Amino acid sequence: GAVVSQHPSWVICKSGTSVKIECRSLDFQATTMFWYRQFPKQSLMLMATSNEGSKATYEQGVEKDKFLINHASLTLSTLTVTSAHPEDSSFYICSARGQGSDNSPLHFGNGTRLTVT
Amino acid sequence: DQQVKQNSPSLSVQEGRISILNCDYTNSMFDYFLWYKKYPAEGPTFLISISSIKDKNEDGRFTVFLNKSAKHLSLHIVPSQPGDSAVYFCAASVLNSGNTPLVFGKGTRLSVIA
Repeated sequence: GAVVSQHPSWVICKSGTSVKIECRSLDFQATTMFWYRQFPKQSLMLMATSNEGSKATYEQGVEKDKFLINHASLTLSTLTVTSAHPEDSSFYICSARGQGSDNSPLHFGNGTRLTVT
Repeated sequence: DQQVKQNSPSLSVQEGRISILNCDYTNSMFDYFLWYKKYPAEGPTFLISISSIKDKNEDGRFTVFLNKSAKHLSLHIVPSQPGDSAVYFCAASVLNSGNTPLVFGKGTRLSVIA
């Protein structure tokens, strides 16, 4: 089945620094990837939809200048948390469907645990 | 406003018994529903799905039931095994509306006791 790889799996950074998270589709091409965030004991909340070759679409309340998304190829999307603050500490997960299958289940990466000190 | 609700944050079941996880939704446009299983520090793994043209879908030990009139679905696991212990997320979307994301519930933590 479709495999989505996410890196790094965990990262600790200091407040004010930036962190880049990579999401790769390993055995398929993904024109669209979705970035979710999960706080403890909360649901997976959609942050943004990443579209290959165009600007990402952000959900209401998500700062596009803070969470920079780049989807430069059909197999790679990156999320950069800029000027990170402790409240950005969360579990970030990317997901994608196989190409040409809009109705198939989303496949998720293993997530990135971000801790901002 | 949560469109997908899992009102039980946790559930404990004896090994071999049936586990029933419930999910309610409010958006009547949803017509495709999925269950995901998640272990700590890992991404969710797809388990089973059902579209609104069906009221039941079965895959091995997992069965999902859909009651459209009540906007309710449930996941049955029988027999439950200790390895089933995880957080289960209910998710919903609208089919045939393009490559759309899923809307998730808050999850139910299932503990299967040996």
